Amino acid sequence: GQNIDQPTEMTATEGAIVQINCTYQTSGFNGLFWYQQHAGEAPTFLSYNVLDGLEEKGRFSSFLSRSKGYSYLLLKELQMKDSASYLCAVKIKAAGNKLTFGGGTRVLVKP
Amino acid sequence: SQTIHQWPATLVQPVGSPLSLECTVEGTSNPNLYWYRQAAGRGLQLLFYSVGIGQISSEVPQNLSASRPQDRQFILSSKKLLLSDSGFYLCAWSRDRGHYGYTFGSGTRLTVV
Repeated sequence: GQNIDQPTEMTATEGAIVQINCTYQTSGFNGLFWYQQHAGEAPTFLSYNVLDGLEEKGRFSSFLSRSKGYSYLLLKELQMKDSASYLCAVKIKAAGNKLTFGGGTRVLVKP
Repeated sequence: SQTIHQWPATLVQPVGSPLSLECTVEGTSNPNLYWYRQAAGRGLQLLFYSVGIGQISSEVPQNLSASRPQDRQFILSSKKLLLSDSGFYLCAWSRDRGHYGYTFGSGTRLTVV
């Protein structure tokens, strides 16, 4: 099976940087995704990593190390609207392209 | 462009009543379709997925069932709801091949009372 761990909650100040770590143990790894989910809403896609390294997209960056089973999502220049849950999800090589999600990290941005 | 529709947005049902949640996708053919449930403050749990018409795979034993009567239609059902069926239900689709993630519907908040 798959095991995905990420911190439950983090707090940061507006304008600061926050790094959300995700560790995973899985067979047949086929990519890692980060989603943002505001309370009561559906998750929306943020980033995708399948090779080692850093992917940058504006204020958000995501890093992957396949040998360590580790990823992080970096949020820079935090804004109040970034207060949300951030979900780490791993895709495995199997029928259906299933994504297995971690429990999510709730980020609270304070003024 | 592709869109995914899910309804209803909220639902309050008594214990023992039936359930039917519907999800449809537009703008693509032969999508992979998924039903997830999210308990309050928790992550997403995969309930069912489908790679084609009439093909349903169940991930966890439960009180629910799924059906795919048409290529772009996915239905989540129950004959008799339990209190533990309460949660936020999300439908999602993805392409079968390539490095694609999911696109989620807007979700249905189900409260069983």
